[in-house]
Formats: sequence, C-alpha cells, structure tokens
Amino acid sequence: GDSVTQMEGPVTLSEEAFLTINCTYTATGYPSLFWYVQYPGEGLQLLLKATKADDKGSNKGFEATYRKETTSFHLEKGSVQVSDSAVYFCALSPYSSASKIIFGSGTRLSIRP
Amino acid sequence: KAGVTQTPRYLIKTRGQQVTLSCSPISGHRSVSWYQQTPGQGLQFLFEYFSETQRNKGNFPGRFSGRQFSNSRSEMNVSTLELGDSALYLCASSLDGQSGDGYTFGSGTRLTVV
Repeated sequence: GDSVTQMEGPVTLSEEAFLTINCTYTATGYPSLFWYVQYPGEGLQLLLKATKADDKGSNKGFEATYRKETTSFHLEKGSVQVSDSAVYFCALSPYSSASKIIFGSGTRLSIRP
Repeated sequence: KAGVTQTPRYLIKTRGQQVTLSCSPISGHRSVSWYQQTPGQGLQFLFEYFSETQRNKGNFPGRFSGRQFSNSRSEMNVSTLELGDSALYLCASSLDGQSGDGYTFGSGTRLTVV
C-alpha cells in the first residue's frame, strides 16, 4: 500500500544552520505531497504542498521539490530559527483516494539559540 | 476567517463509556476528515465525510463512527471505550477533499481513557 518514510528524529541544529529533512514515498499513480508542521499543544498546519512531478512547494523559507524519479520530497530551509522548533510531518494524498492523507512518523526539530 | 473548531479540547472518560467529539469546519468547506494521533501509531486516518455521506474509511473497528450534518459540522463517536483509545483526535476540513487541496486541521481533542 501507499506509505511515507521520513528521517528519524530528533534533529537538533543551531540557529542559522541549514536544514534538510528527508522524505520518500511509495504510491501508485501520482499522489499529491505535503509537509505539515505541529507546534506543541496544537494541531497540524499545512506548511507546503506539491501536486505534480517537478513542482516546488515553498512557504516561510521552507522548500520541497516533488521528485518522481527518486520518489522523494525532502524539506529544506537555508537558515533555521528558534521559532522553527516543532514536529514536521511528510504526507501524501493518493490519487485514487484523494480525501485520505497518509502521514510519515514525524521528525522532531529543535533549534538551539 | 475562523479556522476548524474542535470541542471539547480535553476529555477524561472511563473504560466502557462512550464519547462524542465535535468539529466545525471552515465556512464553505464540505469535506471533513478525522484522524487519531498516538505516540505509538502516529497519525491514522479514521474516516472522511462529504455532503453528509461517509466517502472514505480507515481501518478502525466499528466502535468508531461519525456523521456529518447539513451545515457540514461533524461528530465522531467512540463506544465502549478502551484504554488504547487514549489519543489526540484531529479533525480537518477542505473545500471538497480533492487531491491537492491540503487540509486545514483543528487543534484537536485530547481524550484520556482511565
């Protein structure tokens, strides 16, 4: 079945460091891909999305490119801030079952001042 | 505009009881989905409603049920509660649940079963 695999956490970085969180997926057809972020005590917020191959999603300095050849959707940010500390979830929405979102296990990110 | 509203924020129930959780989607959104989040299993899809009809369903026992009203508000019910049902239950809404929309999530209801 469809699935998402993302790098294990926690990830700890210093402020202004470069961030990469790896995400790969398994799916038939052409799923839509998402990154969601969850701050402590809150629900999920959609960070960015991409709906077809080679699309780049971007928001708040974060970017991810839909790579069909490597089935990947890695999250990157050039310079992280303390306020970026949160749990990040990679997710997909299957083409055949668009209303269902399949999530990865989440990566906890902590940024040191 | 108002976001997705879930009530109550916290609940404590006893094993064997039943519970009803409520979700008000963003105005104009007709698709409402429910997810269970636990440390062990992560985020798991429960079901999705669109125009008062269950359109998609995850792999949960029949104790978990839901419904959607004509104003798109949704409720989720869990009967005969078990300790393992303790979780954060998240509701999400989108315009029509089509791929590419992305969903807007509420802050969740944290259910503790004792």
